[in-house]
Amino acid sequence: EVQLVESGGGLVQPGGSLRLSCEASGFTFSTYAMSWVRQAPGKGLEWVSDINGSGDSPFYADSVRGRFTFSRDNSKNTLYLQMNSLRADDTAVYYCAKALRHNYGEYDYWGQGTLVTVSS
Amino acid sequence: DIQMTQSPSSLSASVGARVTITCRASQDIINYLAWYQQKPGKVPNLLIYAASTLQSGVPSRFSGSGSGTDFTLTISSLQPEDVATYYCQKYNKAPRTFGQGTKVEIK
Repeated sequence: EVQLVESGGGLVQPGGSLRLSCEASGFTFSTYAMSWVRQAPGKGLEWVSDINGSGDSPFYADSVRGRFTFSRDNSKNTLYLQMNSLRADDTAVYYCAKALRHNYGEYDYWGQGTLVTVSS
Repeated sequence: DIQMTQSPSSLSASVGARVTITCRASQDIINYLAWYQQKPGKVPNLLIYAASTLQSGVPSRFSGSGSGTDFTLTISSLQPEDVATYYCQKYNKAPRTFGQGTKVEIK
């Protein structure tokens, strides 16, 4: 059974940093692209970033490029999202998601999400 | 960047009604389009990928069509459990943008 479990969310002050983790199980982790998608309270889905199976060349949304870094440790079946220079508009539930067909694309499994609140 | 525009933003229909949601891309995305359903308080669920391929386990009353810039999600006979917000997403290349969502309610 595929499982994605996010952690690391919480309350942080504007300008602060946070690192999210997503632990995966139930599939051959290193062969699938993975993504982060966020959802601000009461708002729609926003694609944040994705990374291929080997961890090369992550892609980022313009809204986070230069502030967020997406990485993965295939030996630990874990994703990481390092978030720096956080702003109020980064407040959201952050989901990690698994690509359906190995490459970047549609997502067939999602974690339950971790809430990040940026506020003073 | 390619923009994804859904319409309508919300709709209300009777049980058993045929419901259609459209998604328009600002540029040709061929068929690199997915549809998701997000029920209140739940995580998104993949319904359709490659514009018209039904994801395993999804009821056959859901269908997708279109290519290029214009896409449609159809629920052939709306059921109470279909109350949700529906999102399209293009995924040919980054940014893999979502539409703004369409909220479906029962009349």
